[in-house]
Amino acid sequence: KQEVTQIPAALSVPEGENLVLNCSFTDSAIYNLQWFRQDPGKGLTSLLLIQSSQREQTSGRLNASLDKSSGRSTLYIAASQPGDSATYLCAVRAARGSTLGRLYFGRGTQLTVWP
Amino acid sequence: DTGVSQNPRHKITKRGQNVTFRCDPISEHNRLYWYRQTLGQGPEFLTYFQNEAQLEKSRLLSDRFSAERPKGSFSTLEIQRTEQGDSAMYLCASSFVGGSTDTQYFGPGTRLTVL
Repeated sequence: KQEVTQIPAALSVPEGENLVLNCSFTDSAIYNLQWFRQDPGKGLTSLLLIQSSQREQTSGRLNASLDKSSGRSTLYIAASQPGDSATYLCAVRAARGSTLGRLYFGRGTQLTVWP
Repeated sequence: DTGVSQNPRHKITKRGQNVTFRCDPISEHNRLYWYRQTLGQGPEFLTYFQNEAQLEKSRLLSDRFSAERPKGSFSTLEIQRTEQGDSAMYLCASSFVGGSTDTQYFGPGTRLTVL
C-alpha cells in the first residue's frame, strides 16, 4: 500500500522567507503527484501537478520537484507572504494495479507566515 | 461558478439517522471521486466513478455507505444508520480522463457532525 509522509508537520516563518516542504512516498510506481493547499474548514485547491515523466513544475512563486526513483518531492515557496498560511498537502496517484484512480495523501504541512 | 459544488455544506444529525450528500462535478468531467477527511489527517479515498460506472471502492466504504452517479453527472453519497465515527469532512472531486493531465479538482466539502 502506498504511504505518503510529509515533513515538517508544521512550520512557522517570518514573511519574506523562502521555504521548502517535503513529501516522500513508498511506492515509486506513480502516475503523477499533486500539491494542494487547504485553508481551515475548506476544500482543496490544486497548486501543481507533476507527471511521472517530469522533474519539476513551476507556478508563480511555487516550484515543485519530483524524484520518482527516490520517492521524494519538494514544494519550494519563494518570498513567503502571510496569505500563504494554510495546510499544504501532497498526493500521489498510482500507475498500476487496482487502485489507479485514487489519490494517496499525506497528513499535510501546516504553514504559518507571520508579518 | 463552474467549479465542483457540494450540498449541503454542513450537516448535523443524530446517531442512527440517514444522511445524503450531493456533488455536482465540473461539467464535461467524466470522473468523480469521494474522499473523507478527519481532523488533522489527509483525505482518504472512498470511491470513484467513471461516467456512471463505479470503478473502485475503498475498504473504508462499509455496508452503511452507498454512492451513486445515475446519469454520469451529479453523484450522491448516502450514509445509513450514522455513527459518531462518521463525523468528518466529505470531499468530492472531479477530473477529465483523456486530456493531457488528470488533475483532480475538489469541491468545498460537506462537514458532517453526528451527535
